[in-house]
Amino acid sequence: DAGVIQSPRHEVTEMGQEVTLRCKPISGHDYLFWYRQTMMRGLELLIYFNNNVPIDDSGMPEDRFSAKMPNASFSTLKIQPSEPRDSAVYFCASRIQGSETQYFGPGTRLLVL
Amino acid sequence: GENVEQHPSTLSVQEGDSAVIKCTYSDSASNYFPWYKQELGKGPQLIIDIRSNVGEKKDQRIAVTLNKTAKHFSLHITETQPEDSAVYFCAAIRGGTSYGKLTFGQGTILTVHP
Repeated sequence: DAGVIQSPRHEVTEMGQEVTLRCKPISGHDYLFWYRQTMMRGLELLIYFNNNVPIDDSGMPEDRFSAKMPNASFSTLKIQPSEPRDSAVYFCASRIQGSETQYFGPGTRLLVL
Repeated sequence: GENVEQHPSTLSVQEGDSAVIKCTYSDSASNYFPWYKQELGKGPQLIIDIRSNVGEKKDQRIAVTLNKTAKHFSLHITETQPEDSAVYFCAAIRGGTSYGKLTFGQGTILTVHP
């Protein structure tokens, strides 16, 4: 299995621009998680989906952030407009019902100038 | 909600020594405690986990212990090697597998000097 796939791996953008991060979970996994990692706040859960339905988005920092999962093999995290404080590494993870083990992707390193 | 505290934030050891990382959790209903290793430029990877009905679990050079009464759990790495250098995260989750939210500790940067 290819594992969780994220794209792009690196993104540099200017403040105010829209940013879209993409994730392909492991085939057959029915939970998908988006995390943000910063030095100051560590690993924070932003939102997670079960069977493509958002279950808990309480970690989404503000309305500038949105996430979708149109099908079982694809999810996006969008930031519009982006701000310098959004600079972080964003991870996607997935797991299968019946197992607590989450498998993380390689992350997208975002820099907003 | 759950709160997980992890110590120390940095740990430096000589190759061959043991390393211990400790975590405490706040929610007595938490019953699954994984440990993740994150190497530079990569996502966290599960290295070992323990459930609340078990007090200790070993896998070669790594072991995890759990004290439910005190609500703390620890990672033990013996005979450390330079390739063990990474950031280690503990985490806790409440309830059965229908609950999705892992709460992570702040991480420990482990450096193993050759």
